[in-house]
Amino acid sequence: GAVVSQHPSRVICKSGTSVKIECRSLDFQATTMFWYRQFPKQSLMLMATSNEGSKATYEQGVEKDKFLINHASLTLSTLTVTSAHPEDSSFYICSASQTGRGGYTFGSGTRLTVV
Amino acid sequence: TQLLEQSPQFLSIQEGENLTVYCNSSSVFSSLQWYRQEPGEGPVLLVTVVTGGEVKKLKRLTFQFGDARKDSSLHITAAQPGDTGLYLCAGDQGGKLIFGQGTELSVKP
Repeated sequence: GAVVSQHPSRVICKSGTSVKIECRSLDFQATTMFWYRQFPKQSLMLMATSNEGSKATYEQGVEKDKFLINHASLTLSTLTVTSAHPEDSSFYICSASQTGRGGYTFGSGTRLTVV
Repeated sequence: TQLLEQSPQFLSIQEGENLTVYCNSSSVFSSLQWYRQEPGEGPVLLVTVVTGGEVKKLKRLTFQFGDARKDSSLHITAAQPGDTGLYLCAGDQGGKLIFGQGTELSVKP
């Protein structure tokens, strides 16, 4: 079945630094990938939709200059949290939609802690 | 305003009891999915419902999609401690998957 690998699974960074999270579709091509943020005891909130070779579409209230998304190939999308602050600490999850087949496959998430 | 209203948000029951989780919206969805998520992991797909009125069963779990494709329910029969987790409904709208608030289920032995 379709597998999405997300890396790293956990990261701790200092305030003011940037962190990059990778999302890879291992055995399928993903024209579209999605990035979600999840706070403790809450649901997944869609941050942005990432399309291969074009600019990401951000949801209302998500700062595009803070959360940089790059989808350079059909199997890789990256989310960079720039100038991280403690309030950016959260669980970030990506998902990928398989080209031509639909459906969504989720990564295992990245726990970001900003200290 | 939440696009998908999921209820209840928290549920604590004893082993052997039955329960139902509801997912409601004023919008029509081309499909609706139910996921289960363990702490520190990504959500895992349980089922996708596509046709209005559709009923799907997965062992002790029964999923129903409303006739108008605006709502869905998840019924668990004879809940077990292994059913503990976060249950999420999600609707496919315009090529994006939007999640309900989630239901934190705790089944006590």
